[in-house]
Amino acid sequence: QVHLVQSGAEAKKPGASVKISCKASGYTFNSYYIHWVRQAPGQGLEWMGIFDPTGVVTKYTQNFQGRITMTSDTSTTTVYMELSSLTSEDTAVYYCAREYPHTRYFDSWGQGTLVTVSS
Amino acid sequence: QSALTQPASVSGSPGQSITISCSGTSSDVGGFNHVSWYQHHPGKAPNLLIYDVTNRPSGVSYRFSGSKSGNTASLTISGLQTEDEADYYCASYTTKYTYVFGTGTRVTVL
Repeated sequence: QVHLVQSGAEAKKPGASVKISCKASGYTFNSYYIHWVRQAPGQGLEWMGIFDPTGVVTKYTQNFQGRITMTSDTSTTTVYMELSSLTSEDTAVYYCAREYPHTRYFDSWGQGTLVTVSS
Repeated sequence: QSALTQPASVSGSPGQSITISCSGTSSDVGGFNHVSWYQHHPGKAPNLLIYDVTNRPSGVSYRFSGSKSGNTASLTISGLQTEDEADYYCASYTTKYTYVFGTGTRVTVL
């Protein structure tokens, strides 16, 4: 059974960075892309970027260019998303989601990680 | 990349059918048959309902169906049930090798 289990809620101050983890299980880790999607309070879903654990594909949406980094640890089948220079507008629930390469849809999602940015 | 346009809310009585539209451009919805739909109950992970415009993953009720005409995709829920009350989002692959979600639609069962 496929599982994407994310790290717990984070509280950060403006200007800080946050690193969220997404641990994958139940499938071949390197065979699927991981996407990151966020939802700010009262807002819709926003696609942030795609990460390929094999290193072939990594792309971030322009909104986050320069302050987002996606990495992975194959030994623990975990993908990480780090967002820097946080502002209150980054307060959101962050989700990881899986895509089989080139299928263009997300067939399994993590439970979400709440990041609160406040002084 | 602007979000795809969905109605903010749609409602219906149990047993009725409702349709949610998802309007984009030729750079996303109209340019690919890679439109997907997700059901999102607040506080839970989104759930894939439809992929590639019309396809239903195994385990998803036949009551959910998708279609597309030009730059607008649609999700129809037939035989509306109380458990269908949730937020619904469309998503599309784009010509910039990115993805864009719709603005989201809150479905209310009266």
